[in-house]
Order: sequence, then C-alpha cells, then structure tokens
Amino acid sequence: DQQVKQNSPSLSVQEGRISILNCDYTNSMFDYFLWYKKYPAEGPTFLISISSIKDKNEDGRFTVFLNKSAKHLSLHIVPSQPGDSAVYFCAARESNYGQNFVFGPGTRLSVLP
Amino acid sequence: DAGVIQSPRHEVTEMGQEVTLRCKPISGHDYLFWYRQTMMRGLELLIYFNNNVPIDDSGMPEDRFSAKMPNASFSTLKIQPSEPRDSAVYFCASSWASGYNEQFFGPGTRLTVL
Repeated sequence: DQQVKQNSPSLSVQEGRISILNCDYTNSMFDYFLWYKKYPAEGPTFLISISSIKDKNEDGRFTVFLNKSAKHLSLHIVPSQPGDSAVYFCAARESNYGQNFVFGPGTRLSVLP
Repeated sequence: DAGVIQSPRHEVTEMGQEVTLRCKPISGHDYLFWYRQTMMRGLELLIYFNNNVPIDDSGMPEDRFSAKMPNASFSTLKIQPSEPRDSAVYFCASSWASGYNEQFFGPGTRLTVL
C-alpha cells in the first residue's frame, strides 16, 4: 500500500498560470516533507521542504502548503514557466524513524508556451 | 563540488552476470542512500548508510543484492546474479547528518539486464 500518493500522473498548464501539484499521505507520523523535481536522464533535485510545525513555506515562485488534518500537501508554482516542465516527486519522512524518505510516484508537469 | 557521482551511467548485461554500480557521495555528507526507480514501483529506497555503516537494508529486494561502503567517499551496489526484472534506474544520494536536510541525488545508472 502506497504511503505517499500523487494521484495525478500528469498535468498541463499554460505558461504564466499557476501549477498546483497535489500529494496525499497515509502515515500520520510523517513530519517532514520534500518536493523534488526531475528532468529526463538526471537525478531528482531538491525543490522545497516543509516540516509539520508549519503549514506553508515559500521560496520564490514555489510555495508548499501542508494540511495535517487532511494529510495533504500541495506545491504551487506561480507563474509557471516552460523550464518547470519536469516530473515532480513528493517525499515524506517520519523523523523518529531515521532518514527514510518515502516517495510518491510523481506527477509529470508540462508547461505550454 | 561535483555533486554525487555515479558510474557507469548505462549498463547492459546478460542475465546471470554480476553487476556492480558505483557511487561517490558529496564530500562531508554523512548519509548515503541507494534507490531504484521503476515504472511499476516508482522510486524506492533500497538501503542507506550513516558514517559508512548500513542502517536500514529492509528495501533490498533479495539476497542477490548487496551494498558496501568501505569508506566515506565510495559505495557499491552489487547484483549477483542479475535478472531481467532488475532492469531499472539506480540512484545514489547523499545528505548531511540529521536535522531537516534534503538528499542530493546522482544522475543515476540505467541498468538493462537481457
């Protein structure tokens, strides 16, 4: 059973608009969350993180929102740019359980010019 | 810093052969992780090390897989004997000790077992 789910395998957005990528998790003990971006033939690169003591974290065009009661987080990209086209992975960790991150299956974002 | 280095980038081998994947983590990082990415299972953690010591190998699929970290700057993932279902992209990642630290991934090794 997947502990971290990204139910949208793909998403297309027009350049300049907002991209919203969603992630749901089942383990209520998860307390730290990351978003990674992956281009073809490259390894995932870290994008933004949030700990469970916060409900929002911003970094430039990227904002992550965490709703602990719903076990849901989302990544907002505003404005979206063609260079944002990539696969986005959500990852979660239970800090008391060591360094194991559980990754979601990813969402492929296409930003159309 | 050159980032996490993996070799080879591509490996094609025949079923039954031994395969060794290599990783050089970022200097100063205390943790090293091996992941496997497949279409069916996504990105899954195989094993991770802290200060060269294996901490959790519960993700290693079976005894055909083994991983070592003889020193802070080198790790190997070995598959012996290899099988077609081992075909995947294998990523190595490293991070600093504890705290809220992200993992830095290498470019991956694409393994094809015929």
